[in-house]
Amino acid sequence: DTGVSQDPRHKITKRGQNVTFRCDPISEHNRLYWYRQTLGQGPEFLTYFQNEAQLEKSRLLSDRFSAERPKGSFSTLEIQRTEQGDSAMYLCASSFTGGAHYGYTFGSGTRLTVV
Amino acid sequence: QQQVKQSPQSLIVQKGGISIINCAYENTAFDYFPWYQQFPGKGPALLIAIRPDVSEKKEGRFTISFNKSAKQFSLHIMDSQPGDSATYFCAASKETSGSRLTFGEGTQLTVNP
Repeated sequence: DTGVSQDPRHKITKRGQNVTFRCDPISEHNRLYWYRQTLGQGPEFLTYFQNEAQLEKSRLLSDRFSAERPKGSFSTLEIQRTEQGDSAMYLCASSFTGGAHYGYTFGSGTRLTVV
Repeated sequence: QQQVKQSPQSLIVQKGGISIINCAYENTAFDYFPWYQQFPGKGPALLIAIRPDVSEKKEGRFTISFNKSAKQFSLHIMDSQPGDSATYFCAASKETSGSRLTFGEGTQLTVNP
């Protein structure tokens, strides 16, 4: 297993366009997390799944954002009608039940630039 | 609402020196305190972590000191090396909230040769 994989690594889009990111977690992990990191800041929690169920969403996750994890495997994060303020690194992490207490593994992220 | 505050924002030390990064938290329900290391273009990687029932944990050159009454914890990097140059984040979580991490703002560490 090669760890948490995120695709694409970089995405440049025009304001108003929709974008979708994919995360493939470590196969044995049943929890999957999405975080957003802006330049010079720590990651901020967006949402998490346990298996296919989305159990928590941050207030940061506006109605333009939607995340799915069909069949409890990979996950997608879609941003509709992108805005310049959406420019950030989007990080995915996975873990066993018990979450951070059992060690998250983060992917290398998808860097989104909205022009 | 910033629940974990980290300082300093940046730190420059000489090779072989001690790097010290401090964090303070507000939520007494937090029960897990990890430190992450992040290199440019990479995701954060777990360095070392501590639970509030111990006051210190050491792994190699890295030590966490934890003060529950003061709601503070710190990372000490002994014999700092140029390869330690990275951004360090403290974080906190509680299992009952799904273990989502609340991160500090980060410290950019530069170790000069």
